[in-house]
Amino acid sequence: ETGVTQSPTHLIKTRGQQVTLRCSSQSGHNTVSWYQQALGQGPQFIFQYYREEENGRGNFPPRFSGLQFPNYSSELNVNALELDDSALYLCASSSGTSGSSYNEQFFGPGTRLTVL
Amino acid sequence: DAKTTQPNSMESNEEEPVHLPCNHSTISGTDYIHWYRQLPSQGPEYVIHGLTSNVNNRMASLAIAEDRKSSTLILHRATLRDAAVYYCILREYNYGQNFVFGPGTRLSVLP
Repeated sequence: ETGVTQSPTHLIKTRGQQVTLRCSSQSGHNTVSWYQQALGQGPQFIFQYYREEENGRGNFPPRFSGLQFPNYSSELNVNALELDDSALYLCASSSGTSGSSYNEQFFGPGTRLTVL
Repeated sequence: DAKTTQPNSMESNEEEPVHLPCNHSTISGTDYIHWYRQLPSQGPEYVIHGLTSNVNNRMASLAIAEDRKSSTLILHRATLRDAAVYYCILREYNYGQNFVFGPGTRLSVLP
């Protein structure tokens, strides 16, 4: 069984650019969530995709957008990058219906984004 | 959002038990208590979760107060590999909502 994988591992961009981060969910999982983790803080929920549709969003502006594909892999897109977007971006997958309190989330190792 | 309060940091000696506290005085009846930990340079990993009764698994035990306003994660014998940030999270029972992480407790394990 393959775990959650993310690419790239590290990325350096400049302010104003756009970035796409990728996530492959664990086999059998149909739900993907994205989190942003600033240095020294806990992860902050960005949004979640369930069966290719966004079904929950945290307090992030619309320039943070995403996609989920039929194989349940996912992308996180960030437009008009700002310095404060520098962070570790984590993807987590889970199975079953979103909203359940039972579903363990399996996290990937993250993508470290640096915005200069 | 239901919130949790944890100490910023704790220290333990190797092979000794560790009790990591978490306060959640505003917990609702349908909130599950989850614990995740994040080892250095890794994403968070699941440790344990429970609703009302104490829970045990191969990694740890979770002791939940009778009024559910606090809980304690117990590592029975700390190893150096247990050095991590431990997050106590209340999982809100809302469709589409996800984990709300606080800053967690940074556990140091001394040899």
